[in-house]
Amino acid sequence: NAGVTQTPKFQVLKTGQSMTLQCAQDMNHEYMSWYRQDPGMGLRLIHYSVGAGITDQGEVPNGYNVSRSTTEDFPLRLLSAAPSQTSVYFCASNLQANSPLHFGNGTRLTVT
Amino acid sequence: AQSVTQLGSHVSVSEGALVLLRCNYSSSVPPYLFWYVQYPNQGLQLLLKYTSAATLVKGINGFEAEFKKSETSFHLTKPSAHMSDAAEYFCAVSDLSTSQGNLIFGKGTKLSVKP
Repeated sequence: NAGVTQTPKFQVLKTGQSMTLQCAQDMNHEYMSWYRQDPGMGLRLIHYSVGAGITDQGEVPNGYNVSRSTTEDFPLRLLSAAPSQTSVYFCASNLQANSPLHFGNGTRLTVT
Repeated sequence: AQSVTQLGSHVSVSEGALVLLRCNYSSSVPPYLFWYVQYPNQGLQLLLKYTSAATLVKGINGFEAEFKKSETSFHLTKPSAHMSDAAEYFCAVSDLSTSQGNLIFGKGTKLSVKP
């Protein structure tokens, strides 16, 4: 059972570079979401999707783009990396609204 | 809007002692509430969830939480701490202002267990 798979595990970027964080789930969940975790801040929602072709903004969407072309995949794109985007990023999926989230193991991103 | 407050960013207990991690929520309607645990360098795992079926909710690893509407609390307890319980714990509430019910997380409480 793979669950939610995130790649890469670690990434270092220079300011201004772009990259895509990958997220895939094999549980046929309709709902997927991206969070960032910063010390003392808990987890904050970046973007989410309630199904293929449908995405929406969360609490902290600026500087990030998402798309959902398939049920399985939900990549997160950083358009022009900034040091403020240094964080640990978690992808999660759930079956339906209000059901528990299943998390990936995270991507630790450093922007210099 | 819903919100979650976790009292105490760090809690330290001795092995075998009671664990009590505090969570208070703000919601205008009956909420869905969750506790998650995060071990170092891992993602979050569900410990337990409250969905209005019963006020005392039992979770994995001997943890339980009691929903108290009058106190707007959902504190997490475990009668006897193990070394393996050392982790960070997050309380979360569903954002019922949207039909998606996205989770709003507290800032987390790091639990240390002393031998």
